[in-house]
Amino acid sequence: QKEVEQDPGPLSVPEGAIVSLNCTYSNSAFQYFMWYRQYSRKGPELLMYTYSSGNKEDGRFTAQVDKSSKYISLFIRDSQPSDSATYLCAMSAQGGANNLFFGTGTRLTVIP
Amino acid sequence: GAVVSQHPSRVICKSGTSVKIECRSLDFQATTMFWYRQFPKQSLMLMATSNEGSKATYEQGVEKDKFLINHASLTLSTLTVTSAHPEDSSFYICSARRFGNQPQHFGDGTRLSIL
Repeated sequence: QKEVEQDPGPLSVPEGAIVSLNCTYSNSAFQYFMWYRQYSRKGPELLMYTYSSGNKEDGRFTAQVDKSSKYISLFIRDSQPSDSATYLCAMSAQGGANNLFFGTGTRLTVIP
Repeated sequence: GAVVSQHPSRVICKSGTSVKIECRSLDFQATTMFWYRQFPKQSLMLMATSNEGSKATYEQGVEKDKFLINHASLTLSTLTVTSAHPEDSSFYICSARRFGNQPQHFGDGTRLSIL
């Protein structure tokens, strides 16, 4: 079993839709959770960085962590065509840990 | 803040050539930098971790004599792919981290094609 599971998609939604992206994990020691956005032929860009359980909001993006279920989510409100990218979840047991465990990424397309 | 610059973005060269890739943290000092490899439609695979002024730590299966890493300053790390062969063709991405409980910030990657 992989440490981090993420549905690779692809996921297509119309512009303006609410997008829900999810990852599950098996290691209960994970406490730091990240979402990265990666455009084609570019490096990942950090979107959200959260610690432990709870919600964090930044503009149209909301990150949710449910440690009891070992489940994290990223919600994108009012999705735009510019949101079309691959979204990677990542997590670690320590904030400064060298070992980041990545999901495989979900490819999202927002259709105008 | 937290901008990481990677250069070059694209390299095409003949088999047997050595290729150097630079990774710079532009607006912060990075105590640790990381080198990843990414295959098409797959996630990132950590190759090695480098701390300024010390030897890099390589992940299992990564040849340290093949992939030379130098972290000469708090803002610069280099990866040299020595005597590159077609199987080394890939997308190489670096990341940098400030200190403590800070996340990694990634460069834009280098697409390496060995003919």
